[in-house]
Amino acid sequence: LAKTTQPISMDSYEGQEVNITCSHNNIATNDYITWYQQFPSQGPRFIIQGYKTKVTNEVASLFIPADRKSSTLSLPRVSLSDTAVYYCLVGAILTGGGNKLTFGTGTQLKVEL
Amino acid sequence: DAGVTQSPTHLIKTRGQQVTLRCSPKSGHDTVSWYQQALGQGPQFIFQYYEEEERQRGNFPDRFSGHQFPNYSSELNVNALLLGDSALYLCASSLRLARADTQYFGPGTRLTVL
Repeated sequence: LAKTTQPISMDSYEGQEVNITCSHNNIATNDYITWYQQFPSQGPRFIIQGYKTKVTNEVASLFIPADRKSSTLSLPRVSLSDTAVYYCLVGAILTGGGNKLTFGTGTQLKVEL
Repeated sequence: DAGVTQSPTHLIKTRGQQVTLRCSPKSGHDTVSWYQQALGQGPQFIFQYYEEEERQRGNFPDRFSGHQFPNYSSELNVNALLLGDSALYLCASSLRLARADTQYFGPGTRLTVL
């Protein structure tokens, strides 16, 4: 799996947009990009997944440039409840097999009033 | 639609003992993966089961073993517990034939080894 690099921590205030960028210079052609959110003592929660360009759901947007060597998770108008660790993962698009997820240490986002 | 469930929530054991953790996958999922998460670290892959067989394994000793049942639920067994086995154990389920492997995690079991 391609190695990912993301900031260790970020601080923000309620109502602001937060962008967390992840670098994955060695991403392969059949790799997709997935972001998870994790609160203390809970399992990671799937946020969003994409392969190229832009993906948006009710929680976040994921921006992937044409070279796919990085991606940016965008959280609109964060609240205190968005304080969590955010993980960027890169993995292969499967054709019927299992896969293991390789987590880094993630980005600790702290949202304040 | 029930998500991934795990039991027990918390567990305290002593060194040398054995422990069994249980996981029920999300409805419709047939693949279960287990992860160990030490404090302050990201989850580390232990192994993955589908069709009742271990398909992939991470860098964990043979003291860690598992099983998957016909109803897709799974157990994680750890023998000869060490202090370093204290961690949050996470179960994740997915659908093997999905094009992109999205895994959904349970709340975890907090294991403390004294």
